[in-house]
Amino acid sequence: GESVGLHLPTLSVQEGDNSIINCAYSNSASDYFIWYKQESGKGPQFIIDIRSNMDKRQGQRVTVLLNKTVKHLSLQIAATQPGDSAVYFCAEIFSGNTGKLIFGQGTTLQVKP
Amino acid sequence: DGGITQSPKYLFRKEGQNVTLSCEQNLNHDAMYWYRQDPGQGLRLIYYSQIVNDFQKGDIAEGYSVSREKKESFPLTVTSAQKNPTAFYLCASTPDRSGDRGRYTFGSGTRLTVV
Repeated sequence: GESVGLHLPTLSVQEGDNSIINCAYSNSASDYFIWYKQESGKGPQFIIDIRSNMDKRQGQRVTVLLNKTVKHLSLQIAATQPGDSAVYFCAEIFSGNTGKLIFGQGTTLQVKP
Repeated sequence: DGGITQSPKYLFRKEGQNVTLSCEQNLNHDAMYWYRQDPGQGLRLIYYSQIVNDFQKGDIAEGYSVSREKKESFPLTVTSAQKNPTAFYLCASTPDRSGDRGRYTFGSGTRLTVV
């Protein structure tokens, strides 16, 4: 079936730098994309979402960019902090889907002090 | 505070045993989901339910069963037919309204180990 993938399994950044986590999706019918953060031993937490009629959305210190032409999604974290260290998952929902999320494999973000 | 509660946090199962994982939410959410997560992997959907007394199989339903007798509760039973049950199990819920359907609230998970 269709799947959501991530370009890099691990990303290491210096505290204070900006982080960019990438995600590629394969289903052009997907119309809704979500980023989740999962800390060790915990359930994922919703970070930010974006619909296919948008190409950018900003939250607090986070920005999601959507490029439908190349089926690419990215999460940008400004001024990365140690508390940002976690696994980040992108997820998609297909148009007309019942709400089931399809998750990617995840990228581990390591923040160096 | 509203939230979603999974219990127990750790569970050990002997070969051939059935075990049931609890998931309760007080968010008044319509839809509930069970996911399985293996080390270094993403989440795979086991079962989901959008309304009381109704549920659907996800991608890896074999060896699992669920019930949805109450809106608040969605227990998952891992049966002896599941040959590799050791994993981290996550329950989630969502309002299932089209505007919010991707904003899942997850529980803190149950780590199941076969001994």
